[in-house]
Amino acid sequence: AQKITQTQPGMFVQEKEAVTLDCTYDTSDQSYGLFWYKQPSSGEMIFLIYQGSYDEQNATEGRYSLNFQKARKSANLVISASQLGDSAMYFCAMRERQISSGSARQLTFGSGTQLTVLP
Amino acid sequence: NAGVTQTPKFQVLKTGQSMTLQCAQDMNHEYMSWYRQDPGMGLRLIHYSVGAGITDQGEVPNGYNVSRSTTEDFPLRLLSAAPSQTSVYFCASSQLDRGPDTQYFGPGTRLTVL
Repeated sequence: AQKITQTQPGMFVQEKEAVTLDCTYDTSDQSYGLFWYKQPSSGEMIFLIYQGSYDEQNATEGRYSLNFQKARKSANLVISASQLGDSAMYFCAMRERQISSGSARQLTFGSGTQLTVLP
Repeated sequence: NAGVTQTPKFQVLKTGQSMTLQCAQDMNHEYMSWYRQDPGMGLRLIHYSVGAGITDQGEVPNGYNVSRSTTEDFPLRLLSAAPSQTSVYFCASSQLDRGPDTQYFGPGTRLTVL
């Protein structure tokens, strides 16, 4: 079973509008972290936002917010006031605690959503 | 502050050749890892290390070796390159047991195996 599912291969949004990128996850761990990364066409991976499983409030970083619904196991990324520079591939990732490896911090990635912002 | 650096940026190999992808970080991070990214897929973990002298396998370790002799460096060796190893390779590092424990990625190495 997929641990991280991103069901939207591609999304379009009009400049200045808000957009939500979906992410659902599967884990039996109680302690885990959820990440969103941006990958522009230049190829680098840029960290955007983090949500811990025990965090009671949704994470926010500037125009990025994470809509965390623990019972539904979803961690959707919301980008407000989209800009042309937001056009990129977006990856959701999860870090579970690997008991057998002590405090190893492995990330599992989804397949990504290609976001295109239209002028 | 250089962060995570990778060399080379591009490489073309013939089937059966060996090579080493270099990765270095200057943030004194304990945890380092190697991922590969194939078209239409997210990153998949190849190998990781939680400190000098300690390495372990990730999801797709076959055909790759790693070593961690220093905190700063974590090279990835392809023993006998195969076309299936054509991919973009990312190295990442993070501090263990610190808050969100964000992983910082290098710029990637684009490898083509003919």
